[in-house]
Amino acid sequence: AQSVTQLDSHVSVSEGTPVLLRCNYSSSYSPSLFWYVQHPNKGLQLLLKYTSAATLVKGINGFEAEFKKSETSFHLTKPSAHMSDAAEYFCVVTENNAGGTSYGKLTFGQGTILTVHP
Amino acid sequence: EAGVAQSPRYKIIEKRQSVAFWCNPISGHATLYWYQQILGQGPKLLIQFQNNGVVDDSQLPKDRFSAERLKGVDSTLKIQPAKLEDSAVYLCASSLSPWYEQYFGPGTRLTVT
Repeated sequence: AQSVTQLDSHVSVSEGTPVLLRCNYSSSYSPSLFWYVQHPNKGLQLLLKYTSAATLVKGINGFEAEFKKSETSFHLTKPSAHMSDAAEYFCVVTENNAGGTSYGKLTFGQGTILTVHP
Repeated sequence: EAGVAQSPRYKIIEKRQSVAFWCNPISGHATLYWYQQILGQGPKLLIQFQNNGVVDDSQLPKDRFSAERLKGVDSTLKIQPAKLEDSAVYLCASSLSPWYEQYFGPGTRLTVT
């Protein structure tokens, strides 16, 4: 079975300061991990994904995440927050089979709401 | 390229009524998903189709929810009868196959009173 825990339900930062959104996962087999962003009244958008290649993954809009197997973590970071980053962020896990391909079933965390102050 | 389309965007019904949601996936996407997102929670997979066959419906409350994907393209999700706890956003997503990126539609916000 797979699960995701997002450690903060709300994170508040000032514009121009670093962003850290924390995520721990549990998976029986080799996982793929994702971060999605959801702006109000808009669909979910993929920020970045880890699929067993490089452990440091770069995504869109300056975001990146590091896969740490020993800590079962996949934290999302950005060096400098922008007002447009204010949204809800979801950490997501999917299990892969022995061949390394996904079944497609995404398991979402509870979400972290990011607020950016001017 | 057009994205995943869903309608209606908003729906308000009374409990015990029925409701249906429609999803049109990205052209050529064989895999289609329906998710339920209750306020304050992450989306939860209800059902996954591969073409017009069901791959996973283990979390679909089958006593009241049903879904179909005739001809392997559009899909409808129905709730009959609705309960208060069905109030949520229903998201449709599609992908080329299960191991490719899922693209999400804007969702249908259902309020059951």
